[in-house]
Amino acid sequence: EPEVTQTPSHQVTQMGQEVILRCVPISNHLYFYWYRQILGQKVEFLVSFYNNEISEKSEIFDDQFSVERPDGSNFTLKIRSTKLEDSAMYFCASSERGRARTEAFFGQGTRLTVV
Amino acid sequence: GEDVEQSLFLSVREGDSSVINCTYTDSSSTYLYWYKQEPGAGLQLLTYIFSNMDMKQDQRLTVLLNKKDKHLSLRIADTQTGDSAIYFCAEPQGTGGYQKVTFGTGTKLQVIP
Repeated sequence: EPEVTQTPSHQVTQMGQEVILRCVPISNHLYFYWYRQILGQKVEFLVSFYNNEISEKSEIFDDQFSVERPDGSNFTLKIRSTKLEDSAMYFCASSERGRARTEAFFGQGTRLTVV
Repeated sequence: GEDVEQSLFLSVREGDSSVINCTYTDSSSTYLYWYKQEPGAGLQLLTYIFSNMDMKQDQRLTVLLNKKDKHLSLRIADTQTGDSAIYFCAEPQGTGGYQKVTFGTGTKLQVIP
């Protein structure tokens, strides 16, 4: 069964460093998303991406964040200068276009720890 | 904005039924979802219900929807230790395949052997 894959599963980074989280969405999907879950809190929407541009973003997604689809398969989330409060589980998701019913498929997540 | 609320914790004995409740605010969603998150794992879509349905049964799972009260519940019959996980009620927004999902707070289900 097709799945969304994320790498790495766990990343530890120093405060102020740049970090890139990687995702490979399901191959025929056209909408891509990033969510995050701070430990013990809700899963929160960060950003959606379609047709090589951001279609929607939350107020969490400030100038420190950027997304990119550098090639035909990867979808990345970059945090330019990490802060302690960026420590969270980051989930990538993708969904198909044009079906009567569709759903977002989520990856296993990348646990980001900022020290 | 959209808000989805759940009770935080539920403890049941193995073999009993579990009922996880959820209230939501946005009544325009075509579907409502239940996601399951096992320890250390990602989010897995467990089941869903069309917004024009009152009930959906899927093996041990029963979803009940009360649109008037904006209340959704998930019943797990014959709960097993493998059902221990966090369960998220979720409300997708979007059309044509766009699926921005608003998640509930999550209910941690603990199954006692």
